[in-house]
Amino acid sequence: DTGVSQNPRHKITKRGQNVTFRCDPISEHNRLYWYRQTLGQGPEFLTYFQNEAQLEKSRLLSDRFSAERPKGSFSTLEIQRTEQGDSAMYLCASSSGFGREAYEQYFGPGTRLTVT
Amino acid sequence: AQSVTQLDSQVPVFEEAPVELRCNYSSSVSVYLFWYVQYPNQGLQLLLKYLSGSTLVKGINGFEAEFNKSQTSFHLRKPSVHISDTAEYFCAVSETSYGKLTFGQGTILTVHP
Repeated sequence: DTGVSQNPRHKITKRGQNVTFRCDPISEHNRLYWYRQTLGQGPEFLTYFQNEAQLEKSRLLSDRFSAERPKGSFSTLEIQRTEQGDSAMYLCASSSGFGREAYEQYFGPGTRLTVT
Repeated sequence: AQSVTQLDSQVPVFEEAPVELRCNYSSSVSVYLFWYVQYPNQGLQLLLKYLSGSTLVKGINGFEAEFNKSQTSFHLRKPSVHISDTAEYFCAVSETSYGKLTFGQGTILTVHP
C-alpha cells in the first residue's frame, strides 16, 4: 500500500481562478476526510465522506467549495473564484471505518495552495 | 462543541532530556484522544491514541501519554528525546462515531545537541 496521495503538491493561482485538488485514499478505506491547515494552526475539518456519500460539511466550507467522491474511491476538492484567504495547506485523510482502526486516520502529504 | 488547547507553542529541550507536551480538551461527551507528529515537509503521522481502557497509552518512537478525565488532559511524554524528535506535535480529539478530528494549535518541539 502506498498510502494516501494528493495531487498536485503545490498550486499557485491568481485570485478569481478555479482550482481542483485530488486525493487518492488508501485502497479499501471507505472513510475520507478533508482538512485545511493555515500557518501556525492545527488542521481544521472541512468535510467527510463515507463511501460516495458526503455526510458532513463544516461551516468553513463556503459555497465556493465543493467536494466529490464518485464511486467511493478518489475525491476531488474544488475551489471556485479563489480568494487570498484560501491560501493554505489542504490535507486529505482516510480510515478503514471498521472497529478500532476506524479511528486511525492516515494523512496525505497535502496540497499547498497559494493565491496571488 | 469540542475544543483542544495545547498549552505551549514551542518547547526547546536538550538531547536526552525528558519532555512533556501539554494538551487539554473540552467536551460534553466521551472523547477519543490522539497525538500526531508532523516532521518538516511531511504529512501528519499518528503517534498514539486513547480510545478506552488503560489511561496510559504507549505509542511509536518511545512516546507515551496519559488520559486524565478529571483534569481533561492528555499530556504527551518522552523520557529521553533525540535530535530526530524535532517536529511539530498536534493533539486532537474526536467525539463522533465517524472520527472527525478537532486539532490543537500545535507544539513545536526543538531538540538541541
